Amino acid sequence: DAGVIQSPRHEVTEMGQEVTLRCKPISGHNSLFWYRQTMMRGLELLIYFNNNVPIDDSGMPEDRFSAKMPNASFSTLKIQPSEPRDSAVYFCASSPGTSGEGELFFGEGSRLTVL
Amino acid sequence: GENVEQHPSTLSVQEGDSAVIKCTYSDSASNYFPWYKQELGKRPQLIIDIRSNVGEKKDQRIAVTLNKTAKHFSLHITETQPEDSAVYFCAASETSYDKVIFGPGTSLSVIP
Repeated sequence: DAGVIQSPRHEVTEMGQEVTLRCKPISGHNSLFWYRQTMMRGLELLIYFNNNVPIDDSGMPEDRFSAKMPNASFSTLKIQPSEPRDSAVYFCASSPGTSGEGELFFGEGSRLTVL
Repeated sequence: GENVEQHPSTLSVQEGDSAVIKCTYSDSASNYFPWYKQELGKRPQLIIDIRSNVGEKKDQRIAVTLNKTAKHFSLHITETQPEDSAVYFCAASETSYDKVIFGPGTSLSVIP
């Protein structure tokens, strides 16, 4: 398996633009997580899905952020409109989601810079 | 919700010495405690984990201990090597696949 695949790897955009980050989890994994990493705040959980259903989105900073998982092999994280404070590395991770198999498999991340 | 604290934030050790990183958590329902290593510019990767029915777990030079009563757990790295230099994150979760909350991280530098 190729692992968790994220795109784009790097994105530079201007304030006010819409940003869409994409994630393909490992086939067969039942849970998908979106994390944001910054120096100041570390790894913050934004939202996670079990079997394509959003379970907890309490970490989503505000209404400008939205996430979807239309099927088991694809998820998006959208920021609209983007702001400079959204600049961070966004990681997607998937997990088998069964008892005793709790490892998170991270993608390589999407580095977002909002000017 | 769960809150995970981690100390120290930075740690420098001489090659061959031991390194210890300590974490505390707030939710007594948490029962799964993984540790992740993140090298510079790379993704976090699991190095070891422990579940609440176990007090200690070892894997070669790495060991983790858990004290559920005190709600703290620790990572011990013995005979450190330069390739151990990275940021280490502890985390806590209520179940093995429920949301995983990370501590703020410890930047470990192993000096040759």
